[in-house]
This record gives sequence, structure tokens and C-alpha cells, in this order.
Amino acid sequence: EAQVTQNPRYLITVTGKKLTVTCSQNMNHEYMSWYRQDPGLGLRQIYYSMNVEVTDKGDVPEGYKVSRKEKRNFPLILESPSPNQTSLYFCASSSRGSGSTDTQYFGPGTRLTVL
Amino acid sequence: RKEVEQDPGPFNVPEGATVAFNCTYSNSASQSFFWYRQDCRKEPKLLMSVYSSGNEDGRFTAQLNRASQYISLLIRDSKLSDSATYLCVVRNSGYSTLTFGKGTMLLVSP
Repeated sequence: EAQVTQNPRYLITVTGKKLTVTCSQNMNHEYMSWYRQDPGLGLRQIYYSMNVEVTDKGDVPEGYKVSRKEKRNFPLILESPSPNQTSLYFCASSSRGSGSTDTQYFGPGTRLTVL
Repeated sequence: RKEVEQDPGPFNVPEGATVAFNCTYSNSASQSFFWYRQDCRKEPKLLMSVYSSGNEDGRFTAQLNRASQYISLLIRDSKLSDSATYLCVVRNSGYSTLTFGKGTMLLVSP
């Protein structure tokens, strides 16, 4: 089954404790991305990756890191989480298409609470 | 001006009603347009792409007006299962970076 998986699905942590949210896709997609979703602000892109070893900042990259060592995985790293990073996080992937064929598939989401 | 703006909602409609969602985008160079559906606390899922000529998928019709930078979604004969948040989504250039509207919530009641 074609899918994007994220782990963990739920996490409660404390300020300053490093954490990693994993993302994996089995569709051989080149493009992967991380978003956060907050009430009243909608989905905002954090980082994206066009391919292995190619990453770039989205709209809200501060406080986050990513890596893309393998095509299927795109982990999101919070080196020193703060309460303002409490949010619902989504990973997404798509093929490097253009036009309307480039459907973006989302993972199930990770609900993070930083105390 | 925000990049993608949608009706704030929520829209409360009875079953069987026709409901229309509107969306405007600010970047005239935008290339691709989509409507996504998001159920409460779940991931967004593609509902339909929006083509310049307009397109229909069952009870759903999407329209694009590039001159006015306006996108619409029409849902006919609303079902209870249509209750969700509808996200207007635009891709501005090149590959796959998407810009999302904040979404409009639809509540269909019996």
C-alpha cells in the first residue's frame, strides 16, 4: 500500500529535550516536505527536499532541522524544542511532476506538545 | 495580502443543499491549483485538481478564473459525509511547494 508514515503520532516532551520525528514514504517520491498546522494559521511549510541531500527552507524553518540521506526518509529534528513548537506536524511527499499531476500525499500527522 | 485566501466559514447546510466555496490567490504566476479535504485532526487529502476549463467529479465542480485569480468549489446534493474542512491550495512554480489557504469548514446536518 502506497503511504507516508510518521512516528511518533503523539509526543509530549519538555523544553530543551532534543527530539526527532521520522517520516518515511514507499512511493519512490523525490520531493518530501514538512508542514505544521496551527489553529487560525493553516498549514505552513517548514522545510522541503527536492531529492537526496537537497533540502531548503520553507516559510517557518526556525528551530527545526532536517536531513535527506535516503530517498524514502525525511526526519524532522528539533534540537531544543520550545513551547511555541507545540503543533500538529505533517510530512508529505510527491513525485517531481509538474501541473496538476503532482499530487502531494500526507502522512497521518504527529501531535507534539512541548511543556 | 495573504497568498491564498478563503471564506472563513463555517458553513452550516442541510443535507441535499448546494454549497460553494471561494478562494483567491495573490501570485499571478501560480501554475497549479487544487482542492484538498481535511477531516478533523486527520491529514489533508486531495479532493480534486482545478483546470482552467473547469472540471467536474460527481457532485463536485471546480472552476478557475486566472484573470481574476479566483478558484471555486461547488458541492451539489450535500451529504453528511461531506462535513470537513476544504483547503484551497496553489503551487506557484517549478516542483511541488504548495501554499495552503486556511480552509473553510463545512458542516452538513440531517
